[in-house]
Amino acid sequence: EDQVTQSPEALRLQEGESSSLNCSYTVSGLRGLFWYRQDPGKGPEFLFTLYSAGEEKEKERLKATLTKKESFLHITAPKPEDSATYLCAVQGIRGQNFVFGPGTRLSVLP
Amino acid sequence: DTAVSQTPKYLVTQMGNDKSIKCEQNLGHDTMYWYKQDSKKFLKIMFSYNNKELIINETVPNRFSPKSPDKAHLNLHINSLELGDSAVYFCASSRGQGATGELFFGEGSRLTVL
Repeated sequence: EDQVTQSPEALRLQEGESSSLNCSYTVSGLRGLFWYRQDPGKGPEFLFTLYSAGEEKEKERLKATLTKKESFLHITAPKPEDSATYLCAVQGIRGQNFVFGPGTRLSVLP
Repeated sequence: DTAVSQTPKYLVTQMGNDKSIKCEQNLGHDTMYWYKQDSKKFLKIMFSYNNKELIINETVPNRFSPKSPDKAHLNLHINSLELGDSAVYFCASSRGQGATGELFFGEGSRLTVL
């Protein structure tokens, strides 16, 4: 059974304090690993897709990396508007389902 | 122009009632989903339809019945509502079964059962 765990559960950073969020996964053949951002009262918003180990993607202050067992979301010099819950999901080769992790709740204080 | 839209955004109802949530996507996607997000924010798949055909039906009480009249619409009907059904229900769509591509989500429908 495909599984995704994320750590930490919650993270508080000062503005400008860089850090990383972890997503560990087990899947029977990875088709894709996805990162989403979810703001309170909203649906998850797509950030990145990673397909194979060694791949990296960047967007503004965010950078996602992938290994065979985990993915990291690096946040460089975060701002208060980066505060949100970050969700990781995997899609296996059977391609029928996206399995989500429990998320990391990020708070960036001014 | 909203890509995935759900209505209503909020439902408050009594135990035992029946309610429906509607979802529409204008992305031309073949696959649509219903996810449930509980109070701990965990997103769990409930159903998936590909071109109007049910392809995923997780362990969900049979009080929940999805219906897909066409590939752009996926509705969720819930009979005999229980307290434990209170959650946020998200509709999502993707390019298609077997295709790699991200999920696009609606804004969610918050169901409160009293």
